[in-house]
Amino acid sequence: DAKTTQPTSMDCAEGRAANLPCNHSTISGNEYVYWYRQIHSQGPQYIIHGLKNNETNEMASLIITEDRKSSTLILPHATLRDTAVYYCIVRVPPPSPRGFGNEKLTFGTGTRLTIIP
Amino acid sequence: DTGVSQDPRHKITKRGQNVTFRCDPISEHNRLYWYRQTLGQGPEFLTYFQNEAQLEKSRLLSDRFSAERPKGSFSTLEIQRTEQGDSAMYLCASSLVPSGSLETQYFGPGTRLLVL
Repeated sequence: DAKTTQPTSMDCAEGRAANLPCNHSTISGNEYVYWYRQIHSQGPQYIIHGLKNNETNEMASLIITEDRKSSTLILPHATLRDTAVYYCIVRVPPPSPRGFGNEKLTFGTGTRLTIIP
Repeated sequence: DTGVSQDPRHKITKRGQNVTFRCDPISEHNRLYWYRQTLGQGPEFLTYFQNEAQLEKSRLLSDRFSAERPKGSFSTLEIQRTEQGDSAMYLCASSLVPSGSLETQYFGPGTRLLVL
């Protein structure tokens, strides 16, 4: 799996958009970008994933650069409940055309996002 | 609530004792994963099952650790002769492969183990 680089911590004012960057300069063509978050003392929560097109769901938007070497997770109107550690992960999800993909998720240390009232 | 449950949520034990954790995945999910998370770190993969078959084990899974998924539904993770270094959050996740869309792992709340 390609390695990712994220800032250690970020603050965002409540009600503003939170933009969390992730660098994955060694990403390969068949690797997807996944985002998870982990609220204190809970299990990780899936947020969104994408390959090369921008994606949006009810939780967030994912913007992937054209060269796919970086991406940004956007929480459009951050609330206090969005305070969490956010993990950016790149992987080939199973099943790949050649059989199994990379089954496990490889987490880094993530970005600790604090929403300020 | 993702639909993945783990029991117990907290466990305190003395060094040398055996402990067992249970994970109940989302009912139609055929894949079940175990991860371990120590303080300040992201979760680390331990092992995973496809139905009842254990298909991959991490080097982190020493001989004292054993995991089972006997009927392809719930899973247990046992740690024998616990050591203080085993203190961590043990996380379970499940997924469906193939699913018609990309595989997504859904995590349970975790079991926090403290070895005294």
